[in-house]
Amino acid sequence: EAQVTQNPRYLITVTGKKLTVTCSQNMNHEYMSWYRQDPGLGLRQIYYSMNVEVTDKGDVPEGYKVSRKEKRNFPLILESPSPNQTSLYFCASSLSRQSGRNSPLHFGNGTRLTVT
Amino acid sequence: GQNIDQPTEMTATEGAIVQINCTYQTSGFNGLFWYQQHAGEAPTFLSYNVLDGLEEKGRFSSFLSRSKGYSYLLLKELQMKDSASYLCAVRDLRDDKIIFGKGTRLHILP
Repeated sequence: EAQVTQNPRYLITVTGKKLTVTCSQNMNHEYMSWYRQDPGLGLRQIYYSMNVEVTDKGDVPEGYKVSRKEKRNFPLILESPSPNQTSLYFCASSLSRQSGRNSPLHFGNGTRLTVT
Repeated sequence: GQNIDQPTEMTATEGAIVQINCTYQTSGFNGLFWYQQHAGEAPTFLSYNVLDGLEEKGRFSSFLSRSKGYSYLLLKELQMKDSASYLCAVRDLRDDKIIFGKGTRLHILP
C-alpha cells in the first residue's frame, strides 16, 4: 500500500531534550516536506527536499533540522525543543517537477508533539 | 513569495451547495490543490487544477482562473460528513514549494 509513515503519533517531552520524528514513504517520491499546524495559522512549511541531499528552508525553519540521505526517509530533528514547538506535525511527499509530472501531496498521519 | 487567502469559516445546510473561494499570489504558478481535513486527521486530496476551467469529481468540483489568481471548490448535496476544513494549496514553479492557505472550516447544519 502506497503510504507515508511517520512516527511517533504522540510525543511528550521536556525542554531541551533532543528528539527525532521519522518519516518514510514507499512511493519513490522525489519531493518531501514537513509542516506544522497550529490553530488559526494553518499548515506552515518547515523544510522541504526536492531530492536526495537537497534540502531547503520553508517558512518556519528556526529550531528544526532535516536530512535526506536516502530517497525514502526525511527525518525532522529538534535539537533543543522549546514549548513554542508544541504543535501537530505532518510529513508529506509527492512527485516533483523534475519527474515531468505534477502530483498531490500524500500526508502521513501526523505527530502531536507537546514540549513542557 | 506566495500568499493564499480563503475565508476562515462558512456554514451551510445539509443537502445544499456551498462554494469556498481561494485567491492566491505567486511568482510562478504550477498547480492548485484542494484538500479536506477533519479535525486531528491528515489532509486528504480532493482536486487539482493547473489549467483554467472546471474539474468535476462527483459531488466536488474545482475551478481555476490563472489570470485572476482565483479558484473555488464547489460542494454539492452537502452531507454531515462534509463538516471539515478545506485547504487551498499552490505549487510554485520556481522552487517546487507547496504552500497552504489557512483553511476554511465548513459547518453543516441539519
